[in-house]
Amino acid sequence: EPEVTQTPSHQVTQMGQEVILRCVPISNHLYFYWYRQILGQKVEFLVSFYNNEISEKSEIFDDQFSVERPDGSNFTLKIRSTKLEDSAMYFCASSVDPQGGYTFGSGTRLTVV
Amino acid sequence: GDSVTQMEGPVTLSEEAFLTINCTYTATGYPSLFWYVQYPGEGLQLLLKATKADDKGSNKGFEATYRKETTSFHLEKGSVQVSDSAVYFCALSTSPSGQNFVFGPGTRLSVLP
Repeated sequence: EPEVTQTPSHQVTQMGQEVILRCVPISNHLYFYWYRQILGQKVEFLVSFYNNEISEKSEIFDDQFSVERPDGSNFTLKIRSTKLEDSAMYFCASSVDPQGGYTFGSGTRLTVV
Repeated sequence: GDSVTQMEGPVTLSEEAFLTINCTYTATGYPSLFWYVQYPGEGLQLLLKATKADDKGSNKGFEATYRKETTSFHLEKGSVQVSDSAVYFCALSTSPSGQNFVFGPGTRLSVLP
């Protein structure tokens, strides 16, 4: 079964550093998303991406965040200057038909120290 | 805005017990409804879905019926196993382009042998 692949599975970074979280969506999917889950809390929407541009973003997705689809297969989330409160599990998802549900990756656990 | 409410956990059951996890929603449009499961240390997996009223989604012994009149999508399983221990998320999607996918807070289920 096709999968959404995320790398790395775990990243530790120092506060203030830039991180790039990588995702390879399913190849025929057109809609891409990032979500995050702070430990013990609910899954929160960050951003959706379609047709090479951001469709919608939440208030969490401020200027320190950006997304890119650099080469037609990867979908990246960049955090420019990490803060302690950015520590969370970040999930990438993709969909061919959003009403049919999304396929999620296994997540990248980001720890900011 | 759209929202999903789930029964608060944690829910602790003995093996072979009957499971119900309540989920109700508020949506401006006509949502598709989903249950996702997150096993310890893993990502989000689609468990089942329903896209219109009175549809029943089912998978791995779990079932949920889309009840428009009560705006509910309760998850049930007749006989739980220890391996069902996980966090269960109810979710909805209302936008045709999938821009707004809303998760409930999650319900942690622990099944004891």
